[in-house]
Amino acid sequence: GAGVSQSPSNKVTEKGKDVELRCDPISGHTALYWYRQSLGQGLEFLIYFQGNSAPDKSGLPSDRFSAERTGGSVSTLTIQRTQQEDSAVYLCASSLGVAGNEQFFGPGTRLTVL
Amino acid sequence: AQSVTQPDIHITVSEGASLELRCNYSYGATPYLFWYVQSPGQGLQLLLKYFSGDTLVQGIKGFEAEFKRSQSSFNLRKPSVHWSDAAEYFCAVVPGNQFYFGTGTSLTVIP
Repeated sequence: GAGVSQSPSNKVTEKGKDVELRCDPISGHTALYWYRQSLGQGLEFLIYFQGNSAPDKSGLPSDRFSAERTGGSVSTLTIQRTQQEDSAVYLCASSLGVAGNEQFFGPGTRLTVL
Repeated sequence: AQSVTQPDIHITVSEGASLELRCNYSYGATPYLFWYVQSPGQGLQLLLKYFSGDTLVQGIKGFEAEFKRSQSSFNLRKPSVHWSDAAEYFCAVVPGNQFYFGTGTSLTVIP
C-alpha cells in the first residue's frame, strides 16, 4: 500500500542494547514525525523533519535518542543503551509539510526492554 | 505554552447512546484542530479537522465536532454510538507545524 510503514512491528531487547526503528513515509511527504506512546499516555512528540531543514529535536528525552532521515525519505530512530522506561510504542507519521496538513500515521513499533 | 486537555480519561456508553468527548486547548490564536481515533491494534486515523470557517465540522464514521472560540474547545460528538466505535480518541492542536496531542479518551461501548 501507499501508507506509512514501520519496521519492525515488535522489538524485544535487553537493557543496555541499542535499537534502530525504521519509518518509510508516504512518497512525496516532506514532513516526518516521531512520537512515543507509553501505556495509558498520549502521544509524546520526539522529533520532526521538514524537507532539508534542520530537524526539530526538542522532544527527544535524552541524548541516548537520535534520528536520521536519509534522502528526505526513510527515517531511522536510534535508541542507545536502552532502559526499561524506553518500553513504549514508537509511532511515525508523515505529512505534506504545509502547516496544519493531516498527519498519516504508521502502525508503530512496540519496543519492550527487558 | 501550548497545551491540549482531554479531561475524560475513560468514558463508557451504551450502544445507540449519544457521545461527546471533550477537548480544550490553550493557545493565543486559533490553531488548526484535529481529532484522531486509534482502534485496538491499529494506527491513528483522522476523524475530522478544523481550519477555519464553519465551526461545525463533519467527519468520517458519523462524527462531528464543534469549535467554540470563546471556550477554547473542540468537542467531538456522535448522535448514536456503535460497538465498533470503541477505541482511543485523541484531540490535536496545531499552532504551526508541530502537533500537540491530548492524553486521549478511551471509549468503551456496552451492548
